[in-house]
Amino acid sequence: GQNIDQPTEMTATEGAIVQINCTYQTSGFNGLFWYQQHAGEAPTFLSYNVLDGLEEKGRFSSFLSRSKGYSYLLLKELQMKDSASYLCAVTGSNYQLIWGAGTKLIIKP
Amino acid sequence: IAGITQAPTSQILAAGRRMTLRCTQDMRHNAMYWYRQDLGLGLRLIHYSNTAGTTGKGEVPDGYSVSRANTDDFPLTLASAVPSQTSVYFCASSELAGGSDTQYFGPGTRLTVL
Repeated sequence: GQNIDQPTEMTATEGAIVQINCTYQTSGFNGLFWYQQHAGEAPTFLSYNVLDGLEEKGRFSSFLSRSKGYSYLLLKELQMKDSASYLCAVTGSNYQLIWGAGTKLIIKP
Repeated sequence: IAGITQAPTSQILAAGRRMTLRCTQDMRHNAMYWYRQDLGLGLRLIHYSNTAGTTGKGEVPDGYSVSRANTDDFPLTLASAVPSQTSVYFCASSELAGGSDTQYFGPGTRLTVL
């Protein structure tokens, strides 16, 4: 089957670090995407991992382990504007993306 | 126009009515997509188009139809709306088809069917 699991909600403190996990099962893996979605807005692209390992992009990093069907998004030096939902997506068997339900990240001062 | 636009922004519709959601992109992207997003669920693909003149069914196509007469436009039609089609609808596009290219999203249409 195909599915993606993410925690529903996480809370973190401004200035801290948070790790959002994503596990997946798919038969047509081509890579894993992370998107950010602020409440009432459209999703926007954050990162794309094809190979195993860590990719760093400023305060955000994304990790992929293909053998474990596992990824995480690491957010450093959290800011209030990072309060949003974070969506994980992978390619499904029909070469279209399948999406996790998203992790709502709440940042507290 | 820059990116992807959708219209209307929101709509309240009586059950049984026909409705077309519009989507236009100016990036000359080959692939376009329609998703619905419901609370507690991930984005679910309704229909997609890998290139102008072709369309395909996604995960939840029943009750919806699409057309892709040209590169820029990808309208979604609800032939006879039902309350279960109440949702936020996002149109997206990517330069390449196949699930490995970044998708860019429109601002969404919030549809309520009563």
